[in-house]
Amino acid sequence: AQSVAQPEDQVNVAEGNPLTVKCTYSVSGNPYLFWYVQYPNRGLQFLLKYITGDNLVKGSYGFEAEFNKSQTSFHLKKPSALVSDSALYFCAVRLLYGGSQGNLIFGKGTKLSVKP
Amino acid sequence: EAGVAQSPRYKIIEKRQSVAFWCNPISGHATLYWYQQILGQGPKLLIQFQNNGVVDDSQLPKDRFSAERLKGVDSTLKIQPAKLEDSAVYLCASSLDLERGNTIYFGEGSWLTVV
Repeated sequence: AQSVAQPEDQVNVAEGNPLTVKCTYSVSGNPYLFWYVQYPNRGLQFLLKYITGDNLVKGSYGFEAEFNKSQTSFHLKKPSALVSDSALYFCAVRLLYGGSQGNLIFGKGTKLSVKP
Repeated sequence: EAGVAQSPRYKIIEKRQSVAFWCNPISGHATLYWYQQILGQGPKLLIQFQNNGVVDDSQLPKDRFSAERLKGVDSTLKIQPAKLEDSAVYLCASSLDLERGNTIYFGEGSWLTVV
């Protein structure tokens, strides 16, 4: 079965420090991986995706993610965190086949808290 | 480009009442999804449409939930009768098609509280 795991419920970081939000996946075939962010009382906003090509993917708001096939990971990173980055972050994999072809399977989410 | 539109944003109903949520996807997007997000969890698919046909509704509680996308554009999700455990955010999303490389875009969500 295809799945996504986010091992940390919460990540705390000081403003200006680098941040990492972890994600590991289990899929059949080549993974199509996505990161979304959810601010309080808002829907999900697309940040970035990995389809193929360079292992380092750049996205919105200065975020990037590193795809590592051998470790089956797709960690979200930002060199310098902002207080406004505080939100809930979701990693997701898009299904290739089956009844839900094209659907996204989400991790449980990681709450990022950036303190001044 | 306009995003995915959803209404109402917030709804409070008593258990056993009914509620309906409306979604207008991004123009030209053939695939439409309804997800349920319970507090503290990631979104889970309820139903997926490709144009006006259902791709997957295996996770939809059909005894109380129904959804339609009659003309292949707008969609409505209905709950009747509602239960306390239906309290959640109902997210509508759309994508160009089923191709995995295409991004799925989400609306702001419809927040349901059942009391």
